[in-house]
Amino acid sequence: GENVEQHPSTLSVQEGDSAVIKCTYSDSASNYFPWYKQELGKRPQLIIDIRSNVGEKKDQRIAVTLNKTAKHFSLHITETQPEDSAVYFCAAGTYKYIFGTGTRLKVLA
Amino acid sequence: EAGVAQSPRYKIIEKRQSVAFWCNPISGHATLYWYQQILGQGPKLLIQFQNNGVVDDSQLPKDRFSAERLKGVDSTLKIQPAKLEDSAVYLCASSLEQINEQFFGPGTRLTVL
Repeated sequence: GENVEQHPSTLSVQEGDSAVIKCTYSDSASNYFPWYKQELGKRPQLIIDIRSNVGEKKDQRIAVTLNKTAKHFSLHITETQPEDSAVYFCAAGTYKYIFGTGTRLKVLA
Repeated sequence: EAGVAQSPRYKIIEKRQSVAFWCNPISGHATLYWYQQILGQGPKLLIQFQNNGVVDDSQLPKDRFSAERLKGVDSTLKIQPAKLEDSAVYLCASSLEQINEQFFGPGTRLTVL
């Protein structure tokens, strides 16, 4: 069945460093790849998304890259700050999403 | 704009009891989703509605779970009878179109004892 794998499951970085989270997907028909941030006890919120006709998208400190041939996409956060600490979920899909298993990011002050 | 509303926020029941959750999506959003999020995991889609029609319910345990979206607006998700493994947060989300940003509600935390 359709599957989205996400790595790493936990990631600790020093404040100011960069963080990279990677996802691979199995359904080659997937054409939409959102990333959600979920703080403890709160609802997931979209932070950035990319569609299959684009290879890279950037929004301030956050960027996402997509490699459709390899069926993987990555989230890059630069100049990390303590408020970036949260669980990040990737997702992939067509008319519906499959979510990854999540990455707990800790930014150490 | 008002966000996705869900109630109740918390529910504790014993196994074999029944429970119902309610969701009110963002006004004008045609697509509504119910997800199950078990602690430490990503949201798992249970059912997806487009207006009041079911688009996908392949992951819904139909022997115990049911959902409806009357008049294409509010939706209810029911579990009957509940099992211990149903303990999770149930998230409702809505989007303007099917493959677009989903806006999540605050969720209902269900504990089955």
